[in-house]
Amino acid sequence: EDQVTQSPEALRLQEGESSSLNCSYTVSGLRGLFWYRQDPGKGPEFLFTLYSAGEEKEKERLKATLTKKESFLHITAPKPEDSATYLCAVQAGGSNYKLTFGKGTLLTVNP
Amino acid sequence: DADVTQTPRNRITKTGKRIMLECSQTKGHDRMYWYRQDPGLGLRLIYYSFDVKDINKGEISDGYSVSRQAQAKFSLSLESAIPNQTALYFCATSDGMRTKAFFGQGTRLTVV
Repeated sequence: EDQVTQSPEALRLQEGESSSLNCSYTVSGLRGLFWYRQDPGKGPEFLFTLYSAGEEKEKERLKATLTKKESFLHITAPKPEDSATYLCAVQAGGSNYKLTFGKGTLLTVNP
Repeated sequence: DADVTQTPRNRITKTGKRIMLECSQTKGHDRMYWYRQDPGLGLRLIYYSFDVKDINKGEISDGYSVSRQAQAKFSLSLESAIPNQTALYFCATSDGMRTKAFFGQGTRLTVV
C-alpha cells in the first residue's frame, strides 16, 4: 500500500527564517511526486512535480528536491504570505495513476 | 472564471437525505476525481473517472455514488447522508498520466 508521511505537522517560522518540510514515501514504482499549497477554505494549488531521484525544481522562495525515499520543500527567507498548508502526493505506477496524499504541513510565518 | 467549478460551495443537510455535489470543468481534461478532506486525515480518493464510460472506486467509496454526465461534468451523490460524511469535498481534473491535478474550490458539507 502506498504511504506518504509529512513532517512536521506544523511549523512556525519568523519572517526570513529558512527551513525545510519533509515528505517521506513508500510506493511501488514512483511515477511522480507532487507538491501543492492549500490556503484555508480553498482547493490545493499545484507547485511542483518531481519524477526522478536527484531532480530539483524552484519557484520564487521554494525549492523542491527528491531522493529515492523522500522529498524536501525548502523555503528560503519566507514571508507571511507563504503561510499555508503544504501537501505532498505520490503517483504510483500500476494503480491507475491516482494520487496518494500526505496529511500536510501547516506553515505559519510570523512578521 | 474558475477552470474547475464546484456547486454548491456550502451545504447543510439532514441525516438520511440524498444530496448531489456537482463539478464542471473547462480545461478539456478526460480524467476527473472526487476527494474528501478531513482534519488530520488529509485528502482521500472517493471515485475517479478516466473518461465518460470509465468509473472507478477509490479508497473510501462506500456510501457514495458518481455520475459522469459528459467529459466536463462529474457528480458525486450521497444516497442517504450520515453525520460522519461531514467534510470538505474536492473535485479535481487531470489530462493524463504523470500530470498535475487541478482542484476546484471545494464544497463544505455538513450533515446534521
